[in-house]
Amino acid sequence: KQEVTQIPAALSVPEGENLVLNCSFTDSAIYNLQWFRQDPGKGLTSLLLIQSSQREQTSGRLNASLDKSSGRSTLYIAASQPGDSATYLCAVNFNKFYFGSGTKLNVKP
Amino acid sequence: GAVVSQHPSWVICKSGTSVKIECRSLDFQATTMFWYRQFPKQSLMLMATSNEGSKATYEQGVEKDKFLINHASLTLSTLTVTSAHPEDSSFYICSARAGGSGDSTEAFFGQGTRLTVV
Repeated sequence: KQEVTQIPAALSVPEGENLVLNCSFTDSAIYNLQWFRQDPGKGLTSLLLIQSSQREQTSGRLNASLDKSSGRSTLYIAASQPGDSATYLCAVNFNKFYFGSGTKLNVKP
Repeated sequence: GAVVSQHPSWVICKSGTSVKIECRSLDFQATTMFWYRQFPKQSLMLMATSNEGSKATYEQGVEKDKFLINHASLTLSTLTVTSAHPEDSSFYICSARAGGSGDSTEAFFGQGTRLTVV
């Protein structure tokens, strides 16, 4: 069974800090990887999609990298804001999408 | 991005009854749809994968007779929770992908359905 792991499970930082969320997966034979945010009680908001042939994707203050050979992806959030507080999930496409357990981020004003 | 509509967004039902959840791709044809469930404070767990016109493939441990999935058209998949019990209370989310098996196209997610069985 494919496994996707996210660390840390929770993170609390003051506003303005740059931070890195980590996602690791057990099988390098992936098609792509997506990062999502989920607000409490809500659905998923897609943040970034990285194809297996790509090394990184950027959208505003977000940058996601992918190292397929080592089974790792990172989500970098620059200049964090209280509005970034949410749970961040990575989903790896092994033909089916498997999710990590998420990182709950709290950005303090 | 493409839109996936899930309905209803929440439902409360009595124990022993069945509940149907719909997932529609509004502006693209979804060859493949996925169904997930999420328990409180946990991540999404894949329940099953359905391809249009064929039987769904269920993940290990998911009861196919309890969670009936129908993907009769390229824009609609339904999940029916049969004889629901309180332990079935959960957040159910669907996703849809335009490509077929093994494709690298992006998957788009519905907003989820919160099911409460009383």
